[in-house]
Amino acid sequence: GAVVSQHPSRVICKSGTSVKIECRSLDFQATTMFWYRQFPKQSLMLMATSNEGSKATYEQGVEKDKFLINHASLTLSTLTVTSAHPEDSSFYICSATERDQGIQYFGAGTRLSVL
Amino acid sequence: SQQGEEDPQALSIQEGENATMNCSYKTSINNLQWYRQNSGRGLVHLILIRSNEREKHSGRLRVTLDTSKKSSSLLITASRAADTASYFCATEGLTFGEGTQLTVNP
Repeated sequence: GAVVSQHPSRVICKSGTSVKIECRSLDFQATTMFWYRQFPKQSLMLMATSNEGSKATYEQGVEKDKFLINHASLTLSTLTVTSAHPEDSSFYICSATERDQGIQYFGAGTRLSVL
Repeated sequence: SQQGEEDPQALSIQEGENATMNCSYKTSINNLQWYRQNSGRGLVHLILIRSNEREKHSGRLRVTLDTSKKSSSLLITASRAADTASYFCATEGLTFGEGTQLTVNP
């Protein structure tokens, strides 16, 4: 089946630093990628939708300048958490869909801890 | 975006029993998907059912869809301890509910 690779799986950083998370579709072209965050024991929350070559569409309440999303190619999307603060600590998950397909394939997630 | 809402929030059963989870959504859909998530891990796609389908099977999984009631159910038969996880439904737009936490006791 289709595979989405997300890296890193875990990152610990100091407050004020920026963290980049990569999401790659390994065996298909991902025309659309999604970024989610999940707080402990809560549901997934969609942060933004990115289509290759265009600007990401952010959900209400998600700061565009805080969470920079780049979808430069059909196999790679990145999420950069800028000037991270402890409240940004969360589990971030990406997913990808192939053109005209209805299934989302998810990465394994990145656990971000900001000290 | 559309939302799936799962019911019950938590379900605890014994190994070998069947587990049924329900999902409701608000507007018309083209398809509905079920996912599972082990604690702290990413989501795994289980099954997709299209709006013109009423029932679909995959191994021990059985999904039904009632578009008139805007609801779907996921049945796991002969459950195993390894089925312990959170189960989510989602439609296009993919805003997930809080899921159903299934615990299968050995």
